[in-house]
Amino acid sequence: QVQLKETGPDLVQLTQTLSITCTVSGFSLTTYNVHWVRQPPGKGLEWMGAMWNGGGTDYNSAFKSRLSISRDTSKSQVFLKMNSLQTDDTAKYFCVSGFYFDYWGQGVMVTVSS
Amino acid sequence: DIQMTQSPSLLSASVGDRVTLSCKASQNIYKYLNWYQQKLGEAPKLLIYYTNSLQTGIPSRFSGSGSGTDFTLTISSLQPEDVATYYCYQYNSGPTFGSGTKLEIK
Repeated sequence: QVQLKETGPDLVQLTQTLSITCTVSGFSLTTYNVHWVRQPPGKGLEWMGAMWNGGGTDYNSAFKSRLSISRDTSKSQVFLKMNSLQTDDTAKYFCVSGFYFDYWGQGVMVTVSS
Repeated sequence: DIQMTQSPSLLSASVGDRVTLSCKASQNIYKYLNWYQQKLGEAPKLLIYYTNSLQTGIPSRFSGSGSGTDFTLTISSLQPEDVATYYCYQYNSGPTFGSGTKLEIK
């Protein structure tokens, strides 16, 4: 069955770079797009960007200057890298996929600390 | 960017009530809208896709309607397990989520 799992650090220092890996199973990255969504504690959901099944990417303009999404299809992994982290980047980060945007990972909670 | 406005932000209703949640888009998104339910500490769960298609396994008391800029999620008979925050999500362009409606039992 389709599964997504995010792995990454619990804590990142202010101004440093965040790296999170989404490992998928049950489908090929060349079949479904994979998106990144984040949710600050007690707040709503924010779409960050996507890795299209054809290999292209798209980004929320709010992050475009510091966000990068890439993939390794042989390992079924999609990577999120975001630099210049601030305290308001503290959030749970989810990877999401599926034809109807219906498969979600459990998320990884990242705290940005000064 | 397309803005999605959900109302109300907080809704309190009784078990068995018919409940209606609203989502308005700042421009035409045709029918490219999903609804998600998020319970505390969990990932969002897809309820409705493409405005009115019920996701597999979701109870039939959930339904969606609308097109263009105005959309509605209806729960025909509210159950205790429906306590959650509900988000709309447009994917016509530059995907965006609404700010959510928190649903409580009165």
